[in-house]
This record gives sequence, C-alpha cells and structure tokens, in this order.
Amino acid sequence: KNQVEQSPQSLIILEGKNCTLQCNYTVSPFSNLRWYKQDTGRGPVSLTIMTFSENTKSNGRYTATLDADTKQSSLHITASQLSDSASYICVVNLGDSGGYQKVTFGIGTKLQVIP
Amino acid sequence: KAGVTQTPRYLIKTRGQQVTLSCSPISGHRSVSWYQQTPGQGLQFLFEYFSETQRNKGNFPGRFSGRQFSNSRSEMNVSTLELGDSALYLCASRDSGSYEQYFGPGTRLTVT
Repeated sequence: KNQVEQSPQSLIILEGKNCTLQCNYTVSPFSNLRWYKQDTGRGPVSLTIMTFSENTKSNGRYTATLDADTKQSSLHITASQLSDSASYICVVNLGDSGGYQKVTFGIGTKLQVIP
Repeated sequence: KAGVTQTPRYLIKTRGQQVTLSCSPISGHRSVSWYQQTPGQGLQFLFEYFSETQRNKGNFPGRFSGRQFSNSRSEMNVSTLELGDSALYLCASRDSGSYEQYFGPGTRLTVT
C-alpha cells in the first residue's frame, strides 16, 4: 500500500472554477510535505513546501493546507485556468537519516481544465 | 542560473541493449537524484548521489546504476534493457542545505 495516497485520480473542471485535491499520508514523522505540478512530458515543478509545523502555504492561486493530526493535505486551486491542466503530485519527505533523504511520492491527480 | 538539463530528451532502444542518460545539475548543487516515472507507478526513486558518492538507493535491480563526477554531473546506466524499462527518467538536483529539489525535463526512454 502506497504511503501517500492522492484523490481523485483525475478531475475535469470548467475554466474559472475552483477545485481541491487531496493527499493522505501514513508516513510519520516527516520533515516536509510538498506539492508539485507536472505538465505533460515535463519535469515536476515545486508549488509549495510545508514543514510539519505549518498548516497553510500559498503560491498565487494555489493554497496548500496540512492537518498533521489527520495526516491529510489538500491543494486548493482558485479561479482555474487552462494552463492549470497538469498532474499534481504530493510528496512527503521523511528528512535526512544518516545522510540519506527519504522521499515518498503520491501517484498524482491529473487535472484537466476545459473552456 | 541555468536549470537542470538532461540529455538526450528522447531515446529508443531495443531489448537487451544498454543505455546511458546524462544529467547536469544547477550550478552549485552537489546532490543529484534519479527517478523513474511510469503512468501506473508514478515517480519511483532510483538513487541519490552527493559529492560523487551514492547516498541512497531505491528498490531497483542491479541493472540500474549511476555515478557522479567531480563537477556534480551525473549519469545513469541501464543494462540489458527490458520492455518494462520504458519510462520517463527524471533527475533532480538540490543544494545540500535545502530539501527543495529542482527537476530536469526528463529523458523519455522507449524500449522496443
């Protein structure tokens, strides 16, 4: 079972609408949780990064929240644009252990914004 | 600063061949990680190099290997290619004092 589960797997929304993507994780404790946006055929680009002590972080129209008690994070996209069509990946970093960085990725949510 | 670059961007190989992929990190970044991405599995960690030393390794067979040079550039090698090795291979670099990773555009490998 993947330690980082994302939902929904895919989502279609109309341009201008808001949406929320979910990330549930079991790995604990962790150093930080990140959301990445990945356009088709490109490498992921970081949107937000939150430490375990933070509960919200914004980057323009993207707002990530973190609830360490329920082990849930969400990414809210406001006033969606066609360029938001991409996969969104949740990543939990367990931090350095003996000099190693342990990272667990969700499979991602594929978002399609239509006109 | 220039971003992470990967070469080649696209590659077609046949089963049984071997392949070498290259990654140049952001200037000053000494850590380079490699990932395999497939539609069903998402991103899977292969290995991380720091100052020419492999620091961590994912759960991949020994056919997957890598190395890092003194200028922090890294190469990944896959020997005896299998159809299942078809994937997007991504590398990411980071500054040793930060968790923030910067990904390259990836190399799309197709094995026929």
